Amino acid sequence: DTEVTQTPKHLVMGMTNKKSLKCEQHMGHRAMYWYKQKAKKPPELMFVYSYEKLSINESVPSRFSPECPNSSLLNLHLHALQPEDSALYLCASSQSLDGNTEAFFGQGTRLTVV
Amino acid sequence: DAKTTQPNSMESNEEEPVHLPCNHSTISGTDYIHWYRQLPSQGPEYVIHGLTSNVNNRMASLAIAEDRKSSTLILHRATLRDAAVYYCILNFAGSARQLTFGSGTQLTVLP
Repeated sequence: DTEVTQTPKHLVMGMTNKKSLKCEQHMGHRAMYWYKQKAKKPPELMFVYSYEKLSINESVPSRFSPECPNSSLLNLHLHALQPEDSALYLCASSQSLDGNTEAFFGQGTRLTVV
Repeated sequence: DAKTTQPNSMESNEEEPVHLPCNHSTISGTDYIHWYRQLPSQGPEYVIHGLTSNVNNRMASLAIAEDRKSSTLILHRATLRDAAVYYCILNFAGSARQLTFGSGTQLTVLP
């Protein structure tokens, strides 16, 4: 199983809503990532987890709150988002952070904030 | 952090080889060179990676300059399904700042 599964595939939420994005992998990977991608732009790194601990937070606003409850699961909790937060949110995983391993990406969650 | 520079776009004819260049003049000795591609409406997909020596796999070849300041991704016979954005990325060994994407090259394959 070499899949990274993201749910939901599409999400529409109001600015006062609270929602969560979910990412799951069963490859035994110990590094997991969240990216945000706007149309026609490259993915922007948001958060990196290594061994369930947050390693990198790329100055992401606090309305985005990541959580890694176990080695297979990564969540992104969303609260009080703005319309400009509408984007494709991608999750990825890799065996480690040693640079010599490939990363696997999910198909993303297309988020629309209204 | 070391950065990569790629052409914004390239065109190729179907069934011909494609050479996608990448400059990374500030690469450090422990940075791995990774290539990913992203097809429309999909997440990025790993293509190949290497450190110093040239690498081959079923998808592509990676040619790394002797001074490691540049590399070239080679698709041996382009197909229409290879049309994608190709990203050259320096994966910082031992650092949490992994997989930071640059602007990439949009490859168009002409039938």
